[in-house]
Amino acid sequence: DIQMTQSPSSLSASVGDRVTITCRASQSVSSYLNWYQHKPGKAPKLLIYATSSLQSGVPSKFSGSGSGTDFTLTISSLQPEDFATYYCQQSYSTPPTFGQGTKVEIK
Amino acid sequence: EVQLVESGGGLVQPGGSLKLSCAASGFTFSTYAMSWVRQAPGKGLEWVSAISGSAGSTYYADSVKGRFTISRDNSKNTLYLQMNSLRAEDTAVYYCAKGGVYNGSYLDYWGQGTLVTVSS
Repeated sequence: DIQMTQSPSSLSASVGDRVTITCRASQSVSSYLNWYQHKPGKAPKLLIYATSSLQSGVPSKFSGSGSGTDFTLTISSLQPEDFATYYCQQSYSTPPTFGQGTKVEIK
Repeated sequence: EVQLVESGGGLVQPGGSLKLSCAASGFTFSTYAMSWVRQAPGKGLEWVSAISGSAGSTYYADSVKGRFTISRDNSKNTLYLQMNSLRAEDTAVYYCAKGGVYNGSYLDYWGQGTLVTVSS
């Protein structure tokens, strides 16, 4: 199975900050890397698919980049509604695997 | 509007069985693969199982293979997960999601989840 490792595991940031989360795969996943946002008690939400494609309805403050084994999710200007846990997921091979999550908290 | 509503969770003893359902609406159910993903207390997301739109192909995580069975009824727009020989480590919120496991796939809609607790 492909192992996905996110860093950091948690971070504290202020409203308006630019935030970057990193995801590293144990082997190349090409560009088959997705990002999800998850808030407690809610359904996870797809933000970005195929490394950098923004899911319909997701604001453009979210962006993704990378290829092969190293990927990033960037939130350009953090807003109160963005405080959540973010997961990367590879869909290059079965089983699909998720990173352990990055919890974004209010500073 | 796409909606996925899970049901069937609850408290079950170790070794017991439970069947989860996921009622889908707002899209042509039969043309899409579907998946189950779970989240154990305090843990991250873990993919559990997936099924193709026609139900011709099924996929399982090693942790549930031989114990769980995914199925679907396209006439009822409903996805199922039959869980047998349940263990304490199966305790989790189970989410159904639209999407499969083919190369480049993603899970674009998720339900709110149903809690399964395995305990004596």
